[in-house]
Amino acid sequence: GENVEQHPSTLSVQEGDSAVIKCTYSDSASNYFPWYKQELGKRPQLIIDIRSNVGEKKDQRIAVTLNKTAKHFSLHITETQPEDSAVYFCAASITGFQKLVFGTGTRLLVSP
Amino acid sequence: DTAVSQTPKYLVTQMGNDKSIKCEQNLGHDTMYWYKQDSKKFLKIMFSYNNKELIINETVPNRFSPKSPDKAHLNLHINSLELGDSAVYFCASSQEAWTDTQYFGPGTRLTVL
Repeated sequence: GENVEQHPSTLSVQEGDSAVIKCTYSDSASNYFPWYKQELGKRPQLIIDIRSNVGEKKDQRIAVTLNKTAKHFSLHITETQPEDSAVYFCAASITGFQKLVFGTGTRLLVSP
Repeated sequence: DTAVSQTPKYLVTQMGNDKSIKCEQNLGHDTMYWYKQDSKKFLKIMFSYNNKELIINETVPNRFSPKSPDKAHLNLHINSLELGDSAVYFCASSQEAWTDTQYFGPGTRLTVL
């Protein structure tokens, strides 16, 4: 399968709160899971990625967790700031088809 | 010293016309991609080239034809443009195919009238 489901589609939080975005994938052979941030009118940019041999990865206020058994992975943003407002995309590599499939995106709005 | 560049940034044209979008990367990457992002923001892969060779061609109408004259360039030509082709088209590149950071260009917003 080639599906990557992403939830929620929109997420509103207050500044300082945490935000969690979840994705599930269907290809058990997927081994690379990046997260991209796209600000309004800008290009997608990688913010963090994780490979299948690791369960968790952190970079300052951002962390990603991976549960291979359940085939889901999540993005965690702590102490959110207004500049975190953007659309976030998860993605999963589909090895047999040699491609990256993106989730449908989550619009995160952080209110001051 | 932009890493991945695209031209033009905006393209407004009539139905039935033929147009091209150019992409260049100066990162020395082996793999380049074209993505389409529709009005709902869905990002969908269209084509991928590795060392000038086509490695993936999604179910894209054959009105779309990519061309890679060398490793640093991947152009997209579109024939007989249709209303449904209106979208933002992103070029991207990465060193390894699919399991490496992809660097996106600024995008080309295509509007077909």
